[in-house]
Amino acid sequence: DAGITQSPRHKVTETGTPVTLRCHQTENHRYMYWYRQDPGHGLRLIHYSYGVKDTDKGEVSDGYSVSRSKTEDFLLTLESATSSQTSVYFCAISLEDTEAFFGQGTRLTVV
Amino acid sequence: AQRVTQPEKLLSVFKGAPVELKCNYSYSGSPELFWYVQYSRQRLQLLLRHISRESIKGFTADLNKGETSFHLKKPFAQEEDSAMYYCALRGYGGATNKLIFGTGTLLAVQP
Repeated sequence: DAGITQSPRHKVTETGTPVTLRCHQTENHRYMYWYRQDPGHGLRLIHYSYGVKDTDKGEVSDGYSVSRSKTEDFLLTLESATSSQTSVYFCAISLEDTEAFFGQGTRLTVV
Repeated sequence: AQRVTQPEKLLSVFKGAPVELKCNYSYSGSPELFWYVQYSRQRLQLLLRHISRESIKGFTADLNKGETSFHLKKPFAQEEDSAMYYCALRGYGGATNKLIFGTGTLLAVQP
């Protein structure tokens, strides 16, 4: 498996609180992605990064922000969690011409 | 704009029957297409990519640029093929390497 770790693996939080999910890689891959996985919607891209401090929005970026201050870490922040953000979140990494390698996912529940 | 369409949410077949999971895409440039598989409670993993033209676990997929399709096929389904299958598209070249997925098809192989 590619060296990619997501933390935490599970989290329950209250509506209105900020939450940060971390994706850490040891592969020195340039590209990093955050997706959410929901029944009937598949995987939807939230934000992605194409280098340190270089990020862009995906399909469902509202309510989320990201930061990438170093190659190995890509942080996803829910500024004020809502119940609609209850989901499974996946991080992925890739090089220019390789497939994407996925983390194990973070199950987030907003109550 | 990039778009991936998987029209079937669920495909149920009997063991030994042929399988075809449909994928259509929309992209103005030259795309790279992938199929990913997610077995129960596991992370997503690459099944195949169109540029490698490999056959993995008996699955094949041919990129049809005229029909903008990348259907996944297997002549004889096995019970262990039961999983969620995602078609994905990456815009080839460029700095951002945006990778998007379809909504997925759940393949259920009955004994």
